[in-house]
Amino acid sequence: DGGITQSPKYLFRKEGQNVTLSCEQNLNHDAMYWYRQDPGQGLRLIYYSQIVNDFQKGDIAEGYSVSREKKESFPLTVTSAQKNPTAFYLCASSIQYRGNTEAFFGQGTRLTVV
Amino acid sequence: DQQVKQNSPSLSVQEGRISILNCDYTNSMFDYFLWYKKYPAEGPTFLISISSIKDKNEDGRFTVFLNKSAKHLSLHIVPSQPGDSAVYFCAAIADFYNTDKLIFGTGTRLQVFP
Repeated sequence: DGGITQSPKYLFRKEGQNVTLSCEQNLNHDAMYWYRQDPGQGLRLIYYSQIVNDFQKGDIAEGYSVSREKKESFPLTVTSAQKNPTAFYLCASSIQYRGNTEAFFGQGTRLTVV
Repeated sequence: DQQVKQNSPSLSVQEGRISILNCDYTNSMFDYFLWYKKYPAEGPTFLISISSIKDKNEDGRFTVFLNKSAKHLSLHIVPSQPGDSAVYFCAAIADFYNTDKLIFGTGTRLQVFP
């Protein structure tokens, strides 16, 4: 059945290491998004992609990188340049046309950097 | 600059009563609004939406009201049930750069008690 999958659910990394969070969808959605959730700050957009091989920075892109080589996949790399990487990361996808724009979210990945 | 604001971080309501969650926005270019519900350690799920050409949209126990002149929308849940206890996010879309970029509020935690 269709859906959007993030893995792993929990991830621990040492400070200074890069880490890549996986996001896969089989909904045939054009647009994909990465959000970060911190207590009291809601969901903040990191990167988004409208089509394959194209992506744009969101509001808090510094210290992150993405790729969109396939329609189904939008991995997020948290680099060592991200000053406060410990957070709950959410991936989402949506159909890229107006009138049916609600996004579908994955279950999230909680990243803890020690 | 918080373009979508949910000024009440939490709300407590008795089962069977009405829950009213509020959301304010600052950007008059927003033309589509959505509400998402989120349980702990899970991704948000879409609840209900409203286009700026309407002032009300109803789906079962959930109704969203939009007041464009006040740049205000609200979600009404009637009657409230314990399973409604979650964090509710308001989100808005503007056709920036021809993409459906969702901008989220900070969320309101609803607790429905017996």
